Amino acid sequence: EAGVAQSPRYKIIEKRQSVAFWCNPISGHATLYWYQQILGQGPKLLIQFQNNGVVDDSQLPKDRFSAERLKGVDSTLKIQPAKLEDSAVYLCASSLGYEQFFGPGTRLTVL
Amino acid sequence: DQQVKQNSPSLSVQEGRISILNCDYTNSMFDYFLWYKKYPAEGPTFLISISSIKDKNEDGRFTVFLNKSAKHLSLHIVPSQPGDSAVYFCAASAVTQAGTALIFGKGTTLSVSS
Repeated sequence: EAGVAQSPRYKIIEKRQSVAFWCNPISGHATLYWYQQILGQGPKLLIQFQNNGVVDDSQLPKDRFSAERLKGVDSTLKIQPAKLEDSAVYLCASSLGYEQFFGPGTRLTVL
Repeated sequence: DQQVKQNSPSLSVQEGRISILNCDYTNSMFDYFLWYKKYPAEGPTFLISISSIKDKNEDGRFTVFLNKSAKHLSLHIVPSQPGDSAVYFCAASAVTQAGTALIFGKGTTLSVSS
């Protein structure tokens, strides 16, 4: 069974630029999550999708972050414009139940 | 306000000995707890979980204990192996109207020396 796929693995941008991350969840997993992990911290939820609908986006900085899940499968997370404090690893996860399966993450560095 | 706390940033253990990683939580609504293991440049990998209706769950070398009255759980690894060296995250979940997202602790870095 293929795992959660994410791209790119690494991205370096300057502040005020925009960036997009892509995630392909495990086939058949209806729930998809985006987490932000800052160095030295645990992952923090940004947004949760159930199929292609948003379940929880209460911690998503909506003035600069946006996310969508097309046709209930792939998802993209966008940051525009990026700030220095957005430097982090962005993790995508999918699940059928409590257990969530994580992708390798995208390490974003904002200069 | 940290709802899930891992107060030990690091732990060093010798190969063959027991590793005990601790986790405390504050939200009594949490009904499921999970431990994840993370290697550098990889995403977290699920290790073991426990429902709030149980006090122990065992899977091979890994055992998780839950003390609901103390709002405390621990992960025991016996015997510890060098390949167990990684960051271990404790996570908690509650089914709410908003969903079932996990709340993670900050992690404990385990180093197992041979």
